[in-house]
Amino acid sequence: NAGVTQTPKFQVLKTGQSMTLQCAQDMNHNSMYWYRQDPGMGLRLIYYSASEGTTDKGEVPNGYNVSRLNKREFSLRLESAAPSQTSVYFCATRDRGEFEQYFGPGTRLTVT
Amino acid sequence: GIQVEQSPPDLILQEGANSTLRCNFSDSVNNLQWFHQNPWGQLINLFYIPSGTKQNGRLSATTVATERYSLLYISSSQTTDSGVYFCAVSSYNTDKLIFGTGTRLQVFP
Repeated sequence: NAGVTQTPKFQVLKTGQSMTLQCAQDMNHNSMYWYRQDPGMGLRLIYYSASEGTTDKGEVPNGYNVSRLNKREFSLRLESAAPSQTSVYFCATRDRGEFEQYFGPGTRLTVT
Repeated sequence: GIQVEQSPPDLILQEGANSTLRCNFSDSVNNLQWFHQNPWGQLINLFYIPSGTKQNGRLSATTVATERYSLLYISSSQTTDSGVYFCAVSSYNTDKLIFGTGTRLQVFP
């Protein structure tokens, strides 16, 4: 089992470009999350999806959109990238009835 | 919202030494996790421990939920223990994890 996978691993964008970060899980978990980690800080929640077809905002949603395509996949879209969105992005999952979250390897995004 | 504080912010050890990392939180929690972020950036689950004590090899953790703190113990530290250790919690009315700012551990041979 791959667990939680994220693509791409690295990305460089110019200001104003758009891109979609992909997350997929084979753990059959219901909830999925997107976090960002800025240098020297802990992770902050951007968006989450408690189940297929639902999404909710986290602490720092501005500038992002998400899609829960199906139970396995949760994507994060930057419509017009800004240098302030330079960060490492982590996807996580959680099983229904459990509290522990499991994290993917991260995507390192640089916006110039 | 719930606040999470970790101490110390930085820790430098020689191989073989023991250490204790602390996490204080400001409200009751239904989830508390300890993570190790290795030098390559990967987040590794260490413990899910909203209360009680757990041990896994040289690592152990204790959470005293009534006093709102958790401790992570690392014994006989190795250079591979280097990285950042995060505590993260969620409270009863939400499943959103709130992270502390981490403890950066450096272990030298």
